[in-house]
Amino acid sequence: AQRVTQPEKLLSVFKGAPVELKCNYSYSGSPELFWYVQYSRQRLQLLLRHISRESIKGFTADLNKGETSFHLKKPFAQEEDSAMYYCALLSSNTGKLIFGQGTTLQVKP
Amino acid sequence: DGGITQSPKYLFRKEGQNVTLSCEQNLNHDAMYWYRQDPGQGLRLIYYSQIVNDFQKGDIAEGYSVSREKKESFPLTVTSAQKNPTAFYLCASNLDRNQPQHFGDGTRLSIL
Repeated sequence: AQRVTQPEKLLSVFKGAPVELKCNYSYSGSPELFWYVQYSRQRLQLLLRHISRESIKGFTADLNKGETSFHLKKPFAQEEDSAMYYCALLSSNTGKLIFGQGTTLQVKP
Repeated sequence: DGGITQSPKYLFRKEGQNVTLSCEQNLNHDAMYWYRQDPGQGLRLIYYSQIVNDFQKGDIAEGYSVSREKKESFPLTVTSAQKNPTAFYLCASNLDRNQPQHFGDGTRLSIL
C-alpha cells in the first residue's frame, strides 16, 4: 500500500534550536517525495522536492530508501518557520499525491 | 500563486442542498485536483482530471461530482449524499502529473 506517515501532530521548539520533522513512506517503486508548507493565512505551497536536492529557506530533506524516510531538517529554527508542514508522495502511475497527516511546527521566541 | 482561483472563500449549505465550488486556473495546466483538508487527517483526494473531458475518482469521491468541460475550469459539486461535508476544500493543478502541484486558497464549507 502507498502511504505517508508523519508521526508528530505538533512539534514545538525554541528559536535557534534544530528542527527535524519526520516523514516515513511506504511505496513499492522508486519514490518521488515532496514537502509542502502552509503558513498562516496563506495557501499551501511547495517547499522542496527530493529530486532537486536543494535547500529552501534553510530546510533540507534527504531521501533514505533503507529507512523509507524523508525527514525535513533545519539547523536553526526561526519564528517565521511556524507553519503546517505536509510530506507527500507522488504515485507515478496515477499522478496522485499522497499526503501525510501534517505536522504543525511552532517556533517559540 | 495567483494562477489558481477558488471561489467562494466561505460557503454555507443547508441540509439536503447541493453546492458547487469553483476552481479556475490560468496556468495552462492539463491536470487539476480536488482535495479535502480535515484537522489531523491531512489532504485527501476527492477527484482528479488529467485532461479535458476526463476525470477519475480519488480516495473519497462518494457524495461528490465534478466536470471538466474546459481546460481552465474544474468545478466540484458537494451533493446532499455527502454526509459530512463540513471541511476545507483545496483545488490544485499541475502541468503534467510528474510536476509539483500548485494550490488555490481554498473554500471553507459549513452546514447551516
